[in-house]
Amino acid sequence: EDKVVQSPLSLVVHEGDTVTLNCSYEVTNFRSLLWYKQEKKAPTFLFMLTSSGIEKKSGRLSSILDKKELFSILNITATQTGDSAIYLCAGSSGTYKYIFGTGTRLKVLA
Amino acid sequence: NAGVMQNPRHLVRRRGQEARLRCSPMKGHSHVYWYRQLPEEGLKFMVYLQKENIIDESGMPKERFSAEFPKEGPSILRIQQVVRGDSAAYFCASSYSRDKAFFGQGTRLTVV
Repeated sequence: EDKVVQSPLSLVVHEGDTVTLNCSYEVTNFRSLLWYKQEKKAPTFLFMLTSSGIEKKSGRLSSILDKKELFSILNITATQTGDSAIYLCAGSSGTYKYIFGTGTRLKVLA
Repeated sequence: NAGVMQNPRHLVRRRGQEARLRCSPMKGHSHVYWYRQLPEEGLKFMVYLQKENIIDESGMPKERFSAEFPKEGPSILRIQQVVRGDSAAYFCASSYSRDKAFFGQGTRLTVV
């Protein structure tokens, strides 16, 4: 059965810290891995990764995929209180059925 | 370009009533997906629709649940005879092709 596992389940850090969120996946005919940020309600798209070893960056966020070891990491540097959210990872076989992990709940303290 | 619009944001239904959840995809998007999120759980795929067609409803319970995406108007997720276990956040997402999907704000259904 396809599954996506995220760790840690929750994380509390102070502003300015750097965090690394982990996502491992087992998805049949894997094609891409996606990261979303969920604040209050709506998951907001962050990254889609399809190639191994190529880092994607957006401001203080970056992510990379390792298709050999079947995992991805999401890094957030110089964290701010506005980064507090649930970060969701999803594996896709390139169709439409994303397999989501349960998320990492990040809280950034001022 | 407005994002994916869902309404209502919150819906309270008594057991046995019907719930109708609406989703207007982003402009130009013809692929719509519905996901359900239970407390402390990840998003679970329910159904994938294109205009006037259900492509995959394998994640949707066989009884009481139905979905449609008519030629005109929003996609509708319909839950008949709701039970307490249907209480969850229901998210709609849309995409231009079978690519990254953008999510709406969700509808939080509470069955009392």
